[in-house]
Amino acid sequence: QKEVEQNSGPLSVPEGAIASLNCTYSDRVSQSFFWYRQYSGKSPELIMSIYSNGDKEDGRFTAQLNKASQYVSLLIRDSQPSDSATYLCAPLAGGYQKVTFGTGTKLQVIP
Amino acid sequence: GAVVSQHPSRVICKSGTSVKIECRSLDFQATTMFWYRQFPKQSLMLMATSNEGSKATYEQGVEKDKFLINHASLTLSTLTVTSAHPEDSSFYICSAPKPLAGGNNEQFFGPGTRLTVL
Repeated sequence: QKEVEQNSGPLSVPEGAIASLNCTYSDRVSQSFFWYRQYSGKSPELIMSIYSNGDKEDGRFTAQLNKASQYVSLLIRDSQPSDSATYLCAPLAGGYQKVTFGTGTKLQVIP
Repeated sequence: GAVVSQHPSRVICKSGTSVKIECRSLDFQATTMFWYRQFPKQSLMLMATSNEGSKATYEQGVEKDKFLINHASLTLSTLTVTSAHPEDSSFYICSAPKPLAGGNNEQFFGPGTRLTVL
């Protein structure tokens, strides 16, 4: 089983819709969870971090964490064409441990 | 603003030469930094963990004698690609964990260095 699993996509949503990105992870001791956005040819940009079960909202972004199910998601409301990118989920067992990424989910927001 | 910088952002070199890439944490100290490589349309692949004051830890399949890592200070790690060949052409990215209040930390990535070996 892969450490981090995401649907590689592409996930296509119309402009203004909600984009839902999902991630499952295998390491039960993971405590910190990060969502990164990577535009083509650029390095990953941290957009959300979540540490406890439940929801965390920041602007148009909402991260949801369920440690019992080993599942973390990212919702993007009012999707914009500028949100088109690859989104990477990254669980960490400890703060200074290496981040191992899955393939990420490619999101396409159609104008 | 940026919290992790890399230099250079782009480098073109001849086959057989060595290239040094610097990664700096800008407003925090990082005893650990990470080096990644990404080929076009592929995932980020972790190459090694850079440790201040000790040897780097390399991932399986990464040649430590080819990719030299030196964590010179609490804010600087360097990756040297020795005797570069065209197959080493890639996007090299570093990251560093930034401590937060409350004991958590967040990992930030540098802007990356695009290496082209002719």
